[in-house]
Amino acid sequence: GDSVTQMEGPVTLSEEAFLTINCTYTATGYPSLFWYVQYPGEGLQLLLKATKADDKGSNKGFEATYRKETTSFHLEKGSVQVSDSAVYFCALRTGANSKLTFGKGITLSVRP
Amino acid sequence: EAQVTQNPRYLITVTGKKLTVTCSQNMNHEYMSWYRQDPGLGLRQIYYSMNVEVTDKGDVPEGYKVSRKEKRNFPLILESPSPNQTSLYFCASRRPDMNTEAFFGQGTRLTVV
Repeated sequence: GDSVTQMEGPVTLSEEAFLTINCTYTATGYPSLFWYVQYPGEGLQLLLKATKADDKGSNKGFEATYRKETTSFHLEKGSVQVSDSAVYFCALRTGANSKLTFGKGITLSVRP
Repeated sequence: EAQVTQNPRYLITVTGKKLTVTCSQNMNHEYMSWYRQDPGLGLRQIYYSMNVEVTDKGDVPEGYKVSRKEKRNFPLILESPSPNQTSLYFCASRRPDMNTEAFFGQGTRLTVV
């Protein structure tokens, strides 16, 4: 079945550090890929998405590129801020009526 | 404002006492679903609905029921809650399109003692 694997956390960085959060997937067909962010005490909100190979999703300084050859969708940001502290989930969907399959999530803490 | 609204946000209950968590969306979405979030496990789908009167089991449906009598509402029912249902619950909705994102509610923190 479909699955998403995220790197183990938590991750703690200093402000302005470079961020990479790894995400790899296993899926039948050609999934759409998503990154969701969950700020403390809130629900999940979409951070960015990519719907076909080599697409790059971007939002709020975050980027991720859909790499079909490595089945990966790593999240990057060049300079993190304290306000980026949150839980980040990688997810995929393989059909219009199929569910979102989530990774386990990773907690990011950014120190001033 | 487009939103998914869950109630209550927090609930502490006792084993065996039936409860309902409500979910309502104002985006006219056909597809709605319930997830539970547990540490180290991410989000797992409990039930989903592709439209009114159409519901189906997700990955972890045991101990839960749902109904979809109206397009906007998708309540989650725990007929006899047990401590292993202590979790953070999220309702989500979206259009039936592969590439669209799901919109999530704020979550319901349920504790069963």
